[in-house]
Amino acid sequence: AQSVAQPEDQVNVAEGNPLTVKCTYSVSGNPYLFWYVQYPNRGLQFLLKYITGDNLVKGSYGFEAEFNKSQTSFHLKKPSALVSDSALYFCAVRDINNNDMRFGAGTRLTVKP
Amino acid sequence: DAGVTQSPTHLIKTRGQQVTLRCSPKSGHDTVSWYQQALGQGPQFIFQYYEEEERQRGNFPDRFSGHQFPNYSSELNVNALLLGDSALYLCASSSSTDTQYFGPGTRLTVL
Repeated sequence: AQSVAQPEDQVNVAEGNPLTVKCTYSVSGNPYLFWYVQYPNRGLQFLLKYITGDNLVKGSYGFEAEFNKSQTSFHLKKPSALVSDSALYFCAVRDINNNDMRFGAGTRLTVKP
Repeated sequence: DAGVTQSPTHLIKTRGQQVTLRCSPKSGHDTVSWYQQALGQGPQFIFQYYEEEERQRGNFPDRFSGHQFPNYSSELNVNALLLGDSALYLCASSSSTDTQYFGPGTRLTVL
């Protein structure tokens, strides 16, 4: 069965600095990988996905993620953080042959002015 | 273009009662998935509906059931509510197995 680990409960960065939110996955087949963001009392908002092809995926709001098959990682990155990026970030994985999408426990990102 | 909508926004029930939550998918989407998000946790997959059939189910008891209508909207029913069913229930829609887009959720509190 597929699973996702987000090793950091919380990430703190200063505004303008680069940010990284880590994610590692486990899946038996080829993975579909996703990043979602959740603001307080809201649903999840899609940021980006990796299906196949280029290992560097660009998404919404300046976010990008790098798929690393050998390290089974899919870390979320942004070159310059904004205070408005402060939110809860979820990594998710789905096996190509499975509709059950598994989410990590989430990482709370705080960007300080 | 309206996104995924869910109703009601909030709901308070007592143990043993039954509840029905509703979801309207994004225009053009034919697949609806339901998730339970307990406080401080990531969403957990309940089941997915496609062509009015349950296509896949997560590790949830039979107290959780669903339905999809011909217009692709969906309902989630939970019977014999337990305190542990208190959570944010999220609906996501997609075009078959493509990217899932989430609604704002229904906050269920069981007293």
